[in-house]
Amino acid sequence: DADVTQTPRNRITKTGKRIMLECSQTKGHDRMYWYRQDPGLGLRLIYYSFDVKDINKGEISDGYSVSRQAQAKFSLSLESAIPNQTALYFCATSNRYGNTIYFGEGSWLTVV
Amino acid sequence: AQSVAQPEDQVNVAEGNPLTVKCTYSVSGNPYLFWYVQYPNRGLQFLLKYITGDNLVKGSYGFEAEFNKSQTSFHLKKPSALVSDSALYFCAVRDYGGSQGNLIFGKGTKLSVKP
Repeated sequence: DADVTQTPRNRITKTGKRIMLECSQTKGHDRMYWYRQDPGLGLRLIYYSFDVKDINKGEISDGYSVSRQAQAKFSLSLESAIPNQTALYFCATSNRYGNTIYFGEGSWLTVV
Repeated sequence: AQSVAQPEDQVNVAEGNPLTVKCTYSVSGNPYLFWYVQYPNRGLQFLLKYITGDNLVKGSYGFEAEFNKSQTSFHLKKPSALVSDSALYFCAVRDYGGSQGNLIFGKGTKLSVKP
């Protein structure tokens, strides 16, 4: 089983709909992250959480929200999806020292 | 602000030849540098990292990277490329700013290894 699991892996949704991407990890890490990947832009940080009570905005948080339900769970929500949020989304984790970040398999989201 | 640059969008190499994927960085303190690989339709996999110590870092799948402080570079290398090395490669640097512990990624370099 993967250490960092994302669901769903693929989703097509309509403009204006609410969509949630879920992430769970079995690595026992304190820190969790959500990134977005767009072709030619690399990965950009949306939100990060250092523990359950510590959630922070990243580089591109507008239009997104997150919830850290437990140490092992970190979900990303798009309250009202728009087409330019079509992208590949990655959840990731690291220990409290943050030296190496481990990624999930990614969730493809298409907003039509 | 910390940043990394991958000057090549694509690198083409013949199988069996050595490969180099370039990365330069800009940091305000000591750099923590990373390489990740993304195979088609897969997530990012950690290859190797430099934190301190020997300038030549060895990683997974026969890859290595050379840290060069004077040139602010951290190029990824492999002595003999395989077709299965074809993938998207990302260089990253640890952020010392507001999101400490987060990684700042380059835009990626597509490596294509032809038989």
